[in-house]
Amino acid sequence: DIQLTQSPSFLSASVGDRVTITCRASQDISFYLAWYQQKLGKAPKLLIYSASTLQSGVPSRFSGSGSGTEFSLTISSLQPEDFATYFCQQLNNYPLTFGGGTKLEIK
Amino acid sequence: EVQLVESGGGLVQPGGSLRLSCGASGFIFKTYWMSWVRQAPGKGLEWVANIKQDGSEKYYVDSVKGRFTISRDNAQDSLYLQMNSLRAEDTAMYFCARNGISRQWPNSDWGRGTLVTVSS
Repeated sequence: DIQLTQSPSFLSASVGDRVTITCRASQDISFYLAWYQQKLGKAPKLLIYSASTLQSGVPSRFSGSGSGTEFSLTISSLQPEDFATYFCQQLNNYPLTFGGGTKLEIK
Repeated sequence: EVQLVESGGGLVQPGGSLRLSCGASGFIFKTYWMSWVRQAPGKGLEWVANIKQDGSEKYYVDSVKGRFTISRDNAQDSLYLQMNSLRAEDTAMYFCARNGISRQWPNSDWGRGTLVTVSS
């Protein structure tokens, strides 16, 4: 199975900050990686797919990059509504797997 | 507007069974891969199963193989998850999610989830 390691697990930041979350895959997954945002008590929301394609309706302050085994999600200027937990997911091989999550908290 | 509404969750004893349902609307159901994803209380996301548009391909996480069965009824725009031999570790919120036209498409739309609790 492909393991996805997200870092950091917790991130404390302020409104207006630029933050980056990384996701490392245990083997090459090409560009088959997605990023989701989940707020407490809600379903996940797709932000990025194919490593760098912004899902329709998602603000442009979110961006993704990477291929192979190293990926990142960047939020260019944090807004109050961005404080949530973020997960990566690989879709290259079954079983599909998620990263452990990064909880983004207000400093 | 895409809508996915799960139902069928509840409290069940270890070894018991439940059948989850997901009603879909707002899109042409029969043209999309569909998924079940679960989340144990306070934990991360775990993909459970996928099913192809016509039901000819199904994939499962190892921990549910032989116990869970994903299925769909395209005439009723519905997705199902039959869960047998339930264990305490199956306790989770179960989400129905829409993929894309190919199996490598992510989950673009999600339901609110239905809670399954396995306990004596």
